[in-house]
Amino acid sequence: DIVMTQSPDYLAVSLGERATINCKSSQSVFYSPNNKNYLAWYQHKAGQPPTLLIYWASTRESGVPDRFSGSGSGTDFTLSISSLQAEDVAVYYCQQYFTTPTFGQGTRLEIK
Amino acid sequence: EVQLVESGGGLVQPGGSLRLSCAASGFIFSNYAMIWVRQAPGKGLECVSGISDSGSSTDYADFVEGRFTISRDNSKNKLYLQLNSLRAEDTAVYYCAKSSGGGVNHYFDYWGQGSVVTVSS
Repeated sequence: DIVMTQSPDYLAVSLGERATINCKSSQSVFYSPNNKNYLAWYQHKAGQPPTLLIYWASTRESGVPDRFSGSGSGTDFTLSISSLQAEDVAVYYCQQYFTTPTFGQGTRLEIK
Repeated sequence: EVQLVESGGGLVQPGGSLRLSCAASGFIFSNYAMIWVRQAPGKGLECVSGISDSGSSTDYADFVEGRFTISRDNSKNKLYLQLNSLRAEDTAVYYCAKSSGGGVNHYFDYWGQGSVVTVSS
């Protein structure tokens, strides 16, 4: 299985500031025939189910605010929140679907 | 509107069994693979099992060790997970999720609210 490793485990950012979460896969999740990275990001708020934020590493799901963006390719990926809002407090997970899907361990994001 | 509603969770003794169900609506159920994902207390998300759109292909996490069985009834728009030989470490919230494609190797675009399974004597 592909192992996904996120950093940091915990992140505290001031309101209005930028938050950056990293995700590294143990092998490349890039498929050259279609030029796509098989990487998604989810937001998981307490007491709610996870919600899809980003897929194909950088495509924002419908309805997701444009302050959320994804980047990266191959084995190294980043989720950025450009201006942190109070409602963004959550645990964030990356997930690869290049092979049998696996998640990163999660990054807890809080307000400083 | 896509809806996924889990049921069947509860308290069970070690070694016992439960059957989780997930009722789907708002999309053509038979066109999409479905997944069970769980979150143990204080832990992250982990895939438990997935099933293809037709039900012909299934996949299980290593920790399942033959104890769980995933199935689906496309005529009833329902997904199931039979949990046998349950252990304390299976205690978790179990979510059903919709794959974005016909196979399990896709991202998950909709999730149910979750069903709590507690394994304890």
